[in-house]
Amino acid sequence: DAGITQSPRYKITETGRQVTLMCHQTWSHSYMFWYRQDLGHGLRLIYYSAAADITDKGEVPDGYVVSRSKTENFPLTLESATRSQTSVYFCASRRDTEAFFGQGTRLTVV
Amino acid sequence: GQQVMQIPQYQHVQEGEDFTTYCNSSTTLSNIQWYKQRPGGHPVFLIQLVKSGEVKKQKRLTFQFGEAKKNSSLHITATQTTDVGTYFCAPGNTGGFKTIFGAGTRLFVKA
Repeated sequence: DAGITQSPRYKITETGRQVTLMCHQTWSHSYMFWYRQDLGHGLRLIYYSAAADITDKGEVPDGYVVSRSKTENFPLTLESATRSQTSVYFCASRRDTEAFFGQGTRLTVV
Repeated sequence: GQQVMQIPQYQHVQEGEDFTTYCNSSTTLSNIQWYKQRPGGHPVFLIQLVKSGEVKKQKRLTFQFGEAKKNSSLHITATQTTDVGTYFCAPGNTGGFKTIFGAGTRLFVKA
């Protein structure tokens, strides 16, 4: 089925470890986004991408790295995880102005 | 960057009561979208408003875009327990193709 999928759905990692969250979309949408959602903060934009090999920082990029070598994939890497990065992470792709979200990855950093 | 203020942050209603959430911007918006996120779920697109003074309806939901295109509202008539969740607005044309969201209004409905 066409759509946007995130993996893993749940992840527990230790402080200081590198972890990568995967995002894959089958629509070939140009725009893709990563958000984190914490209680009291709504959805905050981490990084976004307009096309393959074009990425830019969002509202809260520190501690994160992204890449987009192919249109359909937009992985998010936490280079050295910290407890403050415990959150729910959502990937989204956009057609025109409507954004489509993945199911989310719940990341816990211990 | 362009930001919006969404109020209230939380709203508790009795089932059958009406509910309204507001999204206010200090700058003129080209358009605005509304999303709903059920508890434990992901945001889902509801609607986009583009024209000044535009009003759109989806069953019990009424969306309005202000005449000055600086504010928007979502009104739910006779809330049901299925309406629970967080409602987000997202202003369009945020200096590019970024999609930035308001903080959201979390709706609780008591049966």
